[in-house]
Amino acid sequence: NAGVTQTPKFRVLKTGQSMTLLCAQDMNHEYMYWYRQDPGMGLRLIHYSVGEGTTAKGEVPDGYNVSRLKKQNFLLGLESAAPSQTSVYFCASRKAGGANEQFFGPGTRLTVL
Amino acid sequence: GQNIDQPTEMTATEGAIVQINCTYQTSGFNGLFWYQQHAGEAPTFLSYNVLDGLEEKGRFSSFLSRSKGYSYLLLKELQMKDSASYLCAVRVTTGGSYIPTFGRGTSLIVHP
Repeated sequence: NAGVTQTPKFRVLKTGQSMTLLCAQDMNHEYMYWYRQDPGMGLRLIHYSVGEGTTAKGEVPDGYNVSRLKKQNFLLGLESAAPSQTSVYFCASRKAGGANEQFFGPGTRLTVL
Repeated sequence: GQNIDQPTEMTATEGAIVQINCTYQTSGFNGLFWYQQHAGEAPTFLSYNVLDGLEEKGRFSSFLSRSKGYSYLLLKELQMKDSASYLCAVRVTTGGSYIPTFGRGTSLIVHP
């Protein structure tokens, strides 16, 4: 099992450009999450999904959109990138059920110039 | 909203014991997780508490007091490889879903 994978690992964008970050999991998990991690700020939830075809906003959703067309994939889109979106982005997935922990992908380091 | 507090940084000596505290104020509490994150890597799961008391797993233990909104992670027989950031995450029930909120993390430095 590959677990949770993220594509790409690194990206540099210019302000105003768009891009999509792909998260894939092969564990048949119901829940998937997108976080951003900035120095001194911890992990902040952007959007999450509790199942195929469903998405919901997290703590910091502005400037991002998501889609979960297939159970194993969760896409994070930036329509018009801004320097404030420079961050490390982590995807996570979790099996439904109370005690189940999140499994994290390796992260995508995004720089917006 | 949720409020989770952890110390920013701690230092300890190899072979010693260290306790990392986490306090929280939240509604809809439904469990507390601890994760370990080495620099440049993804967080990995350490422990889960939902009832009051101590959970022990090898060198790591985690304690929860729901009435006090308090948890701690205890690391025994510290090793250099334990130098990492330790994240406390409180899970709440929102609209029927379990949503975790992370603290800012505690950076632990273990020195010889």
